[in-house]
Amino acid sequence: GAVVSQHPSRVICKSGTSVKIECRSLDFQATTMFWYRQFPKQSLMLMATSNEGSKATYEQGVEKDKFLINHASLTLSTLTVTSAHPEDSSFYICSASVHRWGEQFFGPGTRLTVL
Amino acid sequence: KQEVTQIPAALSVPEGENLVLNCSFTDSAIYNLQWFRQDPGKGLTSLLLIQSSQREQTSGRLNASLDKSSGRSTLYIAASQPGDSATYLCAAATQGGSEKLVFGKGTKLTVNP
Repeated sequence: GAVVSQHPSRVICKSGTSVKIECRSLDFQATTMFWYRQFPKQSLMLMATSNEGSKATYEQGVEKDKFLINHASLTLSTLTVTSAHPEDSSFYICSASVHRWGEQFFGPGTRLTVL
Repeated sequence: KQEVTQIPAALSVPEGENLVLNCSFTDSAIYNLQWFRQDPGKGLTSLLLIQSSQREQTSGRLNASLDKSSGRSTLYIAASQPGDSATYLCAAATQGGSEKLVFGKGTKLTVNP
């Protein structure tokens, strides 16, 4: 149980394009989903927290207009990187929890490379 | 602001050895502390979660302890195997209205056959 999937696992795009990453909780309903990014040899940094049906809460320094998050249902959250640039290249990982304070279950991550 | 530190950054041991990974956190007001495993290019696998009211958790060859007063947690791996080679991350869930997990940078473990 508690499986979280991400799609795609890898994406390569040209600078200036937008990329959408999906995060799904497969066998449970996730009230809260989290988006992290991880640079090489660095730890995970929380980008934003989203609750189903409401706007995401972004961490300081994360541009909400660049990283659009939609938590449309209890099993799906999407992260759209708009007008991606090479510095956005990173490993993006989502997690989901049944309730706000609950254990977070992590997806397998998405490797984004912007050329 | 919560900060999580993991020492050492890398560790190499021979197969069969028992080992301890360390995690320290600056704010003792945590909700829980989790240990994860991350294989190269992969997501996180949860290993153990210790609630703030608990002192330790065990799963198979893994044992994690939590000492809130000293701001420390340890992950003990018994009889290490080459398959245990991975990066181990600890993360503290902070209280105070935040459900955030603050991660350490991890300890990269290599178990040599």
